[in-house]
Amino acid sequence: KNEVEQSPQNLTAQEGEFITINCSYSVGISALHWLQQHPGGGIVSLFMLSSGKKKHGRLIATINIQEKHSSLHITASHPRDSAVYICALNYGGSQGNLIFGKGTKLSVKP
Amino acid sequence: DAGVTQSPTHLIKTRGQQVTLRCSPISGHKSVSWYQQVLGQGPQFIFQYYEKEERGRGNFPDRFSARQFPNYSSELNVNALLLGDSALYLCASSVVGGRAGSEQFFGPGTRLTVL
Repeated sequence: KNEVEQSPQNLTAQEGEFITINCSYSVGISALHWLQQHPGGGIVSLFMLSSGKKKHGRLIATINIQEKHSSLHITASHPRDSAVYICALNYGGSQGNLIFGKGTKLSVKP
Repeated sequence: DAGVTQSPTHLIKTRGQQVTLRCSPISGHKSVSWYQQVLGQGPQFIFQYYEKEERGRGNFPDRFSARQFPNYSSELNVNALLLGDSALYLCASSVVGGRAGSEQFFGPGTRLTVL
């Protein structure tokens, strides 16, 4: 069983739609990260959460520690949001030891 | 400010060869972590180094080794390459090690192809 499960695996949306990507985990964590990976491989850190909610521009991330669940929301989606979104956990007391989900591939059509 | 840099960007090797990948962290960052991302999968943790000491190791064979230098840059070495080592190798740096939840900043990766 994977420690991190993301859903959906693939998501196609029309420009302007509200998007939600979910991440569920089964281990105790110190922090949860949402990452964005574009074709070609570069990874950008979007959020690091240990509780509550964070907002940056059109992106919102929430985490429920009791439920072991986090969501990434994109409001007013745009084709440039097309990327793979990855949920990753800080686990085991070593901050370098990130456990990654398999990612959600988002495609936003104009 | 320069971000995390990695070299080379692409590399082609044959089975049995050895490879060295390099990473320079963001200035002021003392922790470097290495990850392997096979096509279609999420990254897998290989090593973390902090202050030139190994702080964590993932489930990889002894063919994989790494080190961190006094300037906090790092090298990842892979010996006796196998076809299955073909992947994107990512380096990430953070300000400190040993404290939970420090944000990591990723480099662009080195894409290794083993023929």
